[in-house]
Amino acid sequence: EADIYQTPRYLVIGTGKKITLECSQTMGHDKMYWYQQDPGMELHLIHYSYGVNSTEKGDLSSESTVSRIRTEHFPLTLESARPSHTSQYLCASGGLAGVGSYNEQFFGPGTRLTVL
Amino acid sequence: LAKTTQPISMDSYEGQEVNITCSHNNIATNDYITWYQQFPSQGPRFIIQGYKTKVTNEVASLFIPADRKSSTLSLPRVSLSDTAVYYCLVAVSGGYQKVTFGTGTKLQVIP
Repeated sequence: EADIYQTPRYLVIGTGKKITLECSQTMGHDKMYWYQQDPGMELHLIHYSYGVNSTEKGDLSSESTVSRIRTEHFPLTLESARPSHTSQYLCASGGLAGVGSYNEQFFGPGTRLTVL
Repeated sequence: LAKTTQPISMDSYEGQEVNITCSHNNIATNDYITWYQQFPSQGPRFIIQGYKTKVTNEVASLFIPADRKSSTLSLPRVSLSDTAVYYCLVAVSGGYQKVTFGTGTKLQVIP
């Protein structure tokens, strides 16, 4: 069973607040990803990790930061939210170990963030 | 990373077979071809993956010619629930590289 969880599913917050979007997976995957997607638009990779203590920037520049202290956990933090951060954020995992084929990414349900 | 090119959108009537072709002219020897499906407000879902010739599963078939510079995703007898965006990705199997989803092909199934 492929299990990847994201919380919260929806978040409405005011400008300047600090927020953390949670992502956890129970599949033992070494690789994890964060994507940003506006409705009807392209999926953009903003962060990825190949394992514990490994984090890299993706294709789309983002003011968010990520950490990977545990294999199963890959939270995304925005220190000061702005209206331009309003979007859907999708977390995914994949890898050689665990569930799925080598190139398969499993996606969470997403967090829809609205910054007022 | 191998760049992929797909049609932006396609329309099809229910019950028809749909073929979506993806071009990847600079595919590398170790690259695999993977297709994903995405419904509105959901994350993409893996459909099928292949290296060469033909791969078939319960959802779709993937045709890859000998030169591997393109691939075709075939969906048999589509239904309204197959309306989604379909992405073609090229990457090394199990490789430690980021992959790009691109714009995908928006398939609209018409009753």
